Amino acid sequence: AQSVTQLDSHVSVSEGTPVLLRCNYSSSYSPSLFWYVQHPNKGLQLLLKYTSAATLVKGINGFEAEFKKSETSFHLTKPSAHMSDAAEYFCVVTPYNFNKFYFGSGTKLNVKP
Amino acid sequence: EPEVTQTPSHQVTQMGQEVILRCVPISNHLYFYWYRQILGQKVEFLVSFYNNEISEKSEIFDDQFSVERPDGSNFTLKIRSTKLEDSAMYFCASSELGGYTFGSGTRLTVV
Repeated sequence: AQSVTQLDSHVSVSEGTPVLLRCNYSSSYSPSLFWYVQHPNKGLQLLLKYTSAATLVKGINGFEAEFKKSETSFHLTKPSAHMSDAAEYFCVVTPYNFNKFYFGSGTKLNVKP
Repeated sequence: EPEVTQTPSHQVTQMGQEVILRCVPISNHLYFYWYRQILGQKVEFLVSFYNNEISEKSEIFDDQFSVERPDGSNFTLKIRSTKLEDSAMYFCASSELGGYTFGSGTRLTVV
């Protein structure tokens, strides 16, 4: 069975400080993992993905995530938050056959000036 | 960069009416999906489609829902008799094993 837990429903950071959005997954197979971002009233934009290559994955807009199998985690980080990063972030897992995605419940990131 | 295109971006319909949501997947993708997101809730899987047939569907995808690939380029989701609780953002996606791309969504409001 596949599932994703995003540990924080809301995260608030100041502009210029680091961002950490936490994600833990459960998967019966070797999973692929993704982070998507959704700005208000917009669609889902892919930030980055892990598909069994390098465990440290770099994405767009300075985000990166590290796949840690021993901890079943795939936390999203960014060294320095920007106001434009304010959005909702979804961690997503899919089994090896990509038949469907399992979404976490989302983390809303607020960036304070 | 190739995109998945969804039309319309917003649709308002009366309860009990039929609605068709349209999607144009990326041309060389073979797997197609519909997801929905009720306001304030998690994105939920509805159905996956491959080789002109449904490969998997969720319990949400009951007899009121159907999907079709009518002309080799479009991929549609039909809701036969809409209910208030069908109000949601509906996302289409297509993939080719690892290249999973979502459309920007159709916001359906049932009144």
